[in-house]
Amino acid sequence: QKEVEQNSGPLSVPEGAIASLNCTYSDRVSQSFFWYRQYSGKSPELIMSIYSNGDKEDGRFTAQLNKASQYVSLLIRDSQPSDSATYLCAVNLQYNFNKFYFGSGTKLNVKP
Amino acid sequence: GAVVSQHPSWVICKSGTSVKIECRSLDFQATTMFWYRQFPKQSLMLMATSNEGSKATYEQGVEKDKFLINHASLTLSTLTVTSAHPEDSSFYICSATGTSGRGDTQYFGPGTRLTVL
Repeated sequence: QKEVEQNSGPLSVPEGAIASLNCTYSDRVSQSFFWYRQYSGKSPELIMSIYSNGDKEDGRFTAQLNKASQYVSLLIRDSQPSDSATYLCAVNLQYNFNKFYFGSGTKLNVKP
Repeated sequence: GAVVSQHPSWVICKSGTSVKIECRSLDFQATTMFWYRQFPKQSLMLMATSNEGSKATYEQGVEKDKFLINHASLTLSTLTVTSAHPEDSSFYICSATGTSGRGDTQYFGPGTRLTVL
């Protein structure tokens, strides 16, 4: 079992819709959770981090964390064609350990 | 804040030569730097983790004598691909954690595209 699992997609949504990206992780002691966006041919860029159960909102992005279910998700509201990219979920085992586990990424296509 | 740069952004070299890639944290001190490799349409693959002033820790299957990593200061790490071969052609990306934010967030450089002829 992989430490972090994501559906590879592609996930296709129409412009203006809500895109929902999901990620599960295997280690219950994981402390920190991150979402990155990677455009084709570019390096990953940080979208947001989340550390506590519940929702965290930043603009059109909302991260949701459920540690009991070992599940973290990213919602993108009012999806735009410019949101088309691969979204990587990352989990940090412990705050000071710096051991990141990345999912393989979900490719999102937002159709005009 | 939390800007990481890489140089060069792309490089073409002949088979058998060595190539050095620099990774710099511009506005924070990078206590830990990571080197990744990514082949087209594939996931990020962690190659090694380096802490300032210490030897790098390589992931299983990564040849430490072929991929030399030096993290001599809190703002600079280098990756040297020695005796490069066409199969080493890839997208090399560094990232850093350190004194920016909570300290557990990885910030990525823009990557270096290596082509070995």
